Amino acid sequence: KAGVTQTPRYLIKTRGQQVTLSCSPISGHRSVSWYQQTPGQGLQFLFEYFSETQRNKGNFPGRFSGRQFSNSRSEMNVSTLELGDSALYLCASRLAGGWTGELFFGEGSRLTVL
Amino acid sequence: GQQVMQIPQYQHVQEGEDFTTYCNSSTTLSNIQWYKQRPGGHPVFLIQLVKSGEVKKQKRLTFQFGEAKKNSSLHITATQTTDVGTYFCAGLTSRDDKIIFGKGTRLHILP
Repeated sequence: KAGVTQTPRYLIKTRGQQVTLSCSPISGHRSVSWYQQTPGQGLQFLFEYFSETQRNKGNFPGRFSGRQFSNSRSEMNVSTLELGDSALYLCASRLAGGWTGELFFGEGSRLTVL
Repeated sequence: GQQVMQIPQYQHVQEGEDFTTYCNSSTTLSNIQWYKQRPGGHPVFLIQLVKSGEVKKQKRLTFQFGEAKKNSSLHITATQTTDVGTYFCAGLTSRDDKIIFGKGTRLHILP
């Protein structure tokens, strides 16, 4: 079956702009979570959605937001982009909510902020 | 804040040698998961440990969760070139359900 699909794969924005990233989970998976990966900080948890509700949230400013639709697809939005937001944004899905069970990652969306 | 220290940051080993990476959390974890990320790839789930003192094996890989549920290790016996990548741990804090990641250990195999 198809894996986790993220779009777009690459994008370039300028400071102050906003960006929306999309994630389609594996069919049947109801939990979608988002992560930021940078060389300096490694992987950091952004938030998790399950059944259209945010279940958990990491320590990121309010400029980072997300949502989940009834078909489990998810989007994350970053407003007022800063240079430090340049990163690989990974989406992952699993069958159930919470931090348990195998997590399946997508290929990521690489954001460059100029 | 709560964090997971992972050591070493880098490790170069000759093919056939053993390799170990360690994660040490500042707080008790409900569980810990291990992932492998190949260069240019995305993280791939390896295993989850839940119980205090738990040991799990997957072929040449051995995973341990400490008695206090604050430490964990991944040991690879007789490394192969296919083991190249970054291995990192991720845990769920018991106190407040926060997800914290180690920064990973990058394993390089010398042929």
